[in-house]
Amino acid sequence: AQSVAQPEDQVNVAEGNPLTVKCTYSVSGNPYLFWYVQYPNRGLQFLLKYITGDNLVKGSYGFEAEFNKSQTSFHLKKPSALVSDSALYFCAVRDDNYGQNFVFGPGTRLSVLP
Amino acid sequence: EPEVTQTPSHQVTQMGQEVILRCVPISNHLYFYWYRQILGQKVEFLVSFYNNEISEKSEIFDDQFSVERPDGSNFTLKIRSTKLEDSAMYFCASSELGEQNSPLHFGNGTRLTVT
Repeated sequence: AQSVAQPEDQVNVAEGNPLTVKCTYSVSGNPYLFWYVQYPNRGLQFLLKYITGDNLVKGSYGFEAEFNKSQTSFHLKKPSALVSDSALYFCAVRDDNYGQNFVFGPGTRLSVLP
Repeated sequence: EPEVTQTPSHQVTQMGQEVILRCVPISNHLYFYWYRQILGQKVEFLVSFYNNEISEKSEIFDDQFSVERPDGSNFTLKIRSTKLEDSAMYFCASSELGEQNSPLHFGNGTRLTVT
């Protein structure tokens, strides 16, 4: 079965600095990877997805993610953090051996400090 | 941009009562899902629905739960006899295609409080 780990519960970064939110995954088939962001009292909002063959994918609001097959990772990055990026971030995976279900990581709370 | 809409935003019910959570998925989407999230923590899969039947369900989705698409627009989750531990945020989601890289689009959720 597929699984997702986000090793950091909390990431703090100063505004203007680069940020990284880490994600590693485990699948038996091909991985389909996604990042979502959740603001308080809101649903999950799609940020970006892995596209086969692109090790660096770009998404909404200046975010990008780096896929590394050998490390089974899909880390979320942004070159310059904004205070408004403060939110809860979820990595998710679908395994093409396991149907339509998305499995979400436990989430990482990002705080960008002014 | 089309959105998934959920009603009500907050539902308070007494233990043992039945609740129905309602969702209107994006109109051209074919796959529908319910997830739940307890206290802003992990997002847990409940059930997926396609072509008027359940395609997958998790261990959480026991006999107390049911889903229905009563008409061409609504998608509902019923909890027959609520328990305290059912208190959570319930999110409806939909996707356009069944392809594996189709993202889910989520509603803003229904906060269910069981007292």
